[in-house]
Amino acid sequence: KNQVEQSPQSLIILEGKNCTLQCNYTVSPFSNLRWYKQDTGRGPVSLTIMTFSENTKSNGRYTATLDADTKQSSLHITASQLSDSASYICVVRDRGSTLGRLYFGRGTQLTVWP
Amino acid sequence: DTEVTQTPKHLVMGMTNKKSLKCEQHMGHRAMYWYKQKAKKPPELMFVYSYEKLSINESVPSRFSPECPNSSLLNLHLHALQPEDSALYLCASRGWGASRDTEAFFGQGTRLTVV
Repeated sequence: KNQVEQSPQSLIILEGKNCTLQCNYTVSPFSNLRWYKQDTGRGPVSLTIMTFSENTKSNGRYTATLDADTKQSSLHITASQLSDSASYICVVRDRGSTLGRLYFGRGTQLTVWP
Repeated sequence: DTEVTQTPKHLVMGMTNKKSLKCEQHMGHRAMYWYKQKAKKPPELMFVYSYEKLSINESVPSRFSPECPNSSLLNLHLHALQPEDSALYLCASRGWGASRDTEAFFGQGTRLTVV
């Protein structure tokens, strides 16, 4: 069964600190993995997209890693800001469908305190 | 333009009302999606349109009726909804690259409340 599991479920950190969010998946055949940031009541905004051959990708203070062998990904946030408070969702697409069926994790709720 | 625009942002409707949600993109994407998201849950796929044709219907009740009048527009017609249908409704679109997948862009969503 295609699944995406994220940990931790929630995380509280102080402003300026770093944190790492985890994503494990069983989606097969694998096409790509995306990290999205979603503010409460708003649509998800893409942070990174990684294919099978990519193992690190950065976008500003966000760095995503992918280990396709162990089917694990992480999202590292550096020097956190109050505006980073949001839900971070790991989304995996399978290669079996051209219509782009996406499998969503439940998200990690990040809260940054001053 | 990398935006998916959804209107309205908020909607309150009675169980006997008929309303429509609208979604628009001008990125030339030929796949468009409707998702339903309840609080603290991941989005759930409802419908997928590919080249203006309905390709996937995830066993959604008939009180939700999608429509894709052209390649830039996607509508979701609502009729006789139930209070449990209250949720954030997200529209997304995606294109196809020649050799690799492309991003799925999400709209900001419509917060629907059924009273």
